[in-house]
Amino acid sequence: NAGVTQTPKFQVLKTGQSMTLQCAQDMNHEYMSWYRQDPGMGLRLIHYSVGAGITDQGEVPNGYNVSRSTTEDFPLRLLSAAPSQTSVYFCASSHRGGGNQPQHFGDGTRLSIL
Amino acid sequence: GESVGLHLPTLSVQEGDNSIINCAYSNSASDYFIWYKQESGKGPQFIIDIRSNMDKRQGQRVTVLLNKTVKHLSLQIAATQPGDSAVYFCAENTPRGAQKLVFGQGTRLTINP
Repeated sequence: NAGVTQTPKFQVLKTGQSMTLQCAQDMNHEYMSWYRQDPGMGLRLIHYSVGAGITDQGEVPNGYNVSRSTTEDFPLRLLSAAPSQTSVYFCASSHRGGGNQPQHFGDGTRLSIL
Repeated sequence: GESVGLHLPTLSVQEGDNSIINCAYSNSASDYFIWYKQESGKGPQFIIDIRSNMDKRQGQRVTVLLNKTVKHLSLQIAATQPGDSAVYFCAENTPRGAQKLVFGQGTRLTINP
């Protein structure tokens, strides 16, 4: 049982490039979410999804897009990378009710924008 | 805006002692709280959670205490071991229906031999 799998683990981009961070879970969780973690700060919610076909914005959604075509996958897209998006990105999932169930996290994608 | 915070950014304890990590929350409507442990290079790992209808919950070597009167949450780790060295985060949910967790900044726990 792999849990939450994030790829890639590391990525360096140039300003203006686009890329997709992948997230997959094998626990049949309805709820999935993306967070970013910056030095000295806690995790901040970017986008979340309560089920396939349903997404919503979190605290810091600007510059990021998401889609949820299947229960298992929840990719995060950066359309035009900016240095301010340099961060560590975590994907998480839980059973229905992301605010009152433990969320299970992947090990993150470390992204640097030059 | 309302947010979760921690009293201390760093905490050093002797191996074998008990550790207490504190957390203040400001949203009185929150009804679910959770503690995570994050080791270097890893994602946050669930430790223990508690709902607002409880004051205390115990796990293996860990206890979470919730004081709703002063909006305070604490994590107690008994007989601290080197493997407990990590950053610890508390998080609270937003009011019912929002389905989001708000995280504090974290406390780094260091174990001295």
